[in-house]
Amino acid sequence: GQNIDQPTEMTATEGAIVQINCTYQTSGFNGLFWYQQHAGEAPTFLSYNVLDGLEEKGRFSSFLSRSKGYSYLLLKELQMKDSASYLCAVRDTGTGFQKLVFGTGTRLLVSP
Amino acid sequence: DTGVSQNPRHKITKRGQNVTFRCDPISEHNRLYWYRQTLGQGPEFLTYFQNEAQLEKSRLLSDRFSAERPKGSFSTLEIQRTEQGDSAMYLCASSLVSGGFTEAFFGQGTRLTVV
Repeated sequence: GQNIDQPTEMTATEGAIVQINCTYQTSGFNGLFWYQQHAGEAPTFLSYNVLDGLEEKGRFSSFLSRSKGYSYLLLKELQMKDSASYLCAVRDTGTGFQKLVFGTGTRLLVSP
Repeated sequence: DTGVSQNPRHKITKRGQNVTFRCDPISEHNRLYWYRQTLGQGPEFLTYFQNEAQLEKSRLLSDRFSAERPKGSFSTLEIQRTEQGDSAMYLCASSLVSGGFTEAFFGQGTRLTVV
């Protein structure tokens, strides 16, 4: 089976740092993705982790621990435009094919 | 524009009618996915194609749903005898699978409302 858990909603203030956690249980694993989705728009790719450790890309960083089935997305120096939903997705190979399985998303609200 | 293109962007239909959506992936991409997303939820996997072959279908995809990708280029998703529960955003994504990292790019989606 597949189970991907993220907090439903988080709030933070402009300029702060926020960490969005994701835990997963899948029958196969070949990478974890984070996507950003603004209301009414398509998801856009943020980061990808397949090995344990931290991947940094500008204000955004993503961490993966495969043994714990855990990832987080770290957003630094928050800006108002970062208010969006953040989707954790796992590339699941359990059925023999690769597909992206998404969590329900974490809605982040950045306030002034 | 070389991104993933979906048409129409919005569709309102009466219950019981058939609808068809189209997705044009990024031209060199060999993999194409269909997802469905309802308000406040993440995208749910429906099906995907590797070139023209449909490799996997979710159990969410009832017999009323059918997807095709003739010639491994654009894809269509048809819903027959629509029901109110079919109201959702239908997202298409494509990626290039050639070993290693394969990021999926999403289209803007088709929002279906069944009345």
